[in-house]
Amino acid sequence: NAGVTQTPKFRVLKTGQSMTLLCAQDMNHEYMYWYRQDPGMGLRLIHYSVGEGTTAKGEVPDGYNVSRLKKQNFLLGLESAAPSQTSVYFCASRGGYNEQFFGPGTRLTVL
Amino acid sequence: AQSVTQLGSHVSVSEGALVLLRCNYSSSVPPYLFWYVQYPNQGLQLLLKYTTGATLVKGINGFEAEFKKSETSFHLTKPSAHMSDAAEYFCAVRDGGSQGNLIFGKGTKLSVKP
Repeated sequence: NAGVTQTPKFRVLKTGQSMTLLCAQDMNHEYMYWYRQDPGMGLRLIHYSVGEGTTAKGEVPDGYNVSRLKKQNFLLGLESAAPSQTSVYFCASRGGYNEQFFGPGTRLTVL
Repeated sequence: AQSVTQLGSHVSVSEGALVLLRCNYSSSVPPYLFWYVQYPNQGLQLLLKYTTGATLVKGINGFEAEFKKSETSFHLTKPSAHMSDAAEYFCAVRDGGSQGNLIFGKGTKLSVKP
């Protein structure tokens, strides 16, 4: 079992460029999440999904879009990247008792 | 609304000393409580969790936490710190809303001095 995987691990973008982060899980979980982590801010929820074909906004959704076309995959898109989106992005999926399993993260820099 | 407060953004202990990381929560529903650890440049890994039952919960790497309802606390302890415990630790509580997402504290960075 690979658990939760994320691609890419690192990315540098210029302001205004777009990109998609991919998250995949092999645990057959219904719920999946995208967080961003910034120094001193902890983890902040961007979007989440409660099942295939569904998405919902979290605490900081502006500037991001998501899609969940397949149960095992959850994509996070930045249509027009801004320096404020420089962060480390984590994907997670949820198992029993609300426990979340995290991927290794994607470090994104927007110049 | 649910919330989590971790007291102390940085904690430093000597190797072999007691580790105590504090977490207080507020919850409108019976809480599920979690501690996660994050080593440098890695994702979060579950240390331990409380859902129901025994209030003293044992986790991996010798850590344990005690759920105290009267104090709304879930402090993390380890009797003897090891250099490998240096990491950032996050406390989380289940959101009382219908989705049951997790609300995370801002984290406590633990340093271990030789």
